[in-house]
Amino acid sequence: QQQVKQSPQSLIVQKGGIPIINCAYENTAFDYFPWYQQFPGKGPALLIAIRPDVSEKKEGRFTISFNKSAKQFSLHIMDSQPGDSATYFCAASMNSGGSNYKLTFGKGTLLTVNP
Amino acid sequence: DGGITQSPKYLFRKEGQNVTLSCEQNLNHDAMYWYRQDPGQGLRLIYYSQIVNDFQKGDIAEGYSVSREKKESFPLTVTSAQKNPTAFYLCASSIAAWGYTFGSGTRLTVV
Repeated sequence: QQQVKQSPQSLIVQKGGIPIINCAYENTAFDYFPWYQQFPGKGPALLIAIRPDVSEKKEGRFTISFNKSAKQFSLHIMDSQPGDSATYFCAASMNSGGSNYKLTFGKGTLLTVNP
Repeated sequence: DGGITQSPKYLFRKEGQNVTLSCEQNLNHDAMYWYRQDPGQGLRLIYYSQIVNDFQKGDIAEGYSVSREKKESFPLTVTSAQKNPTAFYLCASSIAAWGYTFGSGTRLTVV
């Protein structure tokens, strides 16, 4: 079964801290690993994504680290702010044919950044 | 502005009723998806459609039905066979994996 295991389930940090969220996958056919950010009552929005031929990708304060051999990837948030408080989902996908790319999501991490 | 519109935002269903959740997109995306979100369960795929008049079951399709008569529309019906329908339902569309766009969701409650 295609699964993406995400940890921790919840995380509390102080402003300026560096929260780290980890994900692990089993299916080596996955070739795209996005992270989504979701605020309460809203749909998820794409935050950052990486392909397995790259070990690290940075966009602003957000960094994905990717370890292909371990089949793990993680999200780091530098200088975290209270406005980063949200639920974060990792995901993985592979081309299922044509224009259909099914995303398999982790169970999410509720991040709280205290002022 | 292009995007996905889900309606209604809140929906209440009586026991034994069927209800239909609307999802419309003007992004010209071929693929559309329905996910169910429960606390601590992440996003679980209900149905997806790659093209008009074609759709496939996802991981938790029992008790749900869909149609795809137009490229822009992918309504989801929650039938009375769905034993535990109370959840947050999210519709999405995509060109490819990096092109996933989600709607703002419909919160369904059984009363």
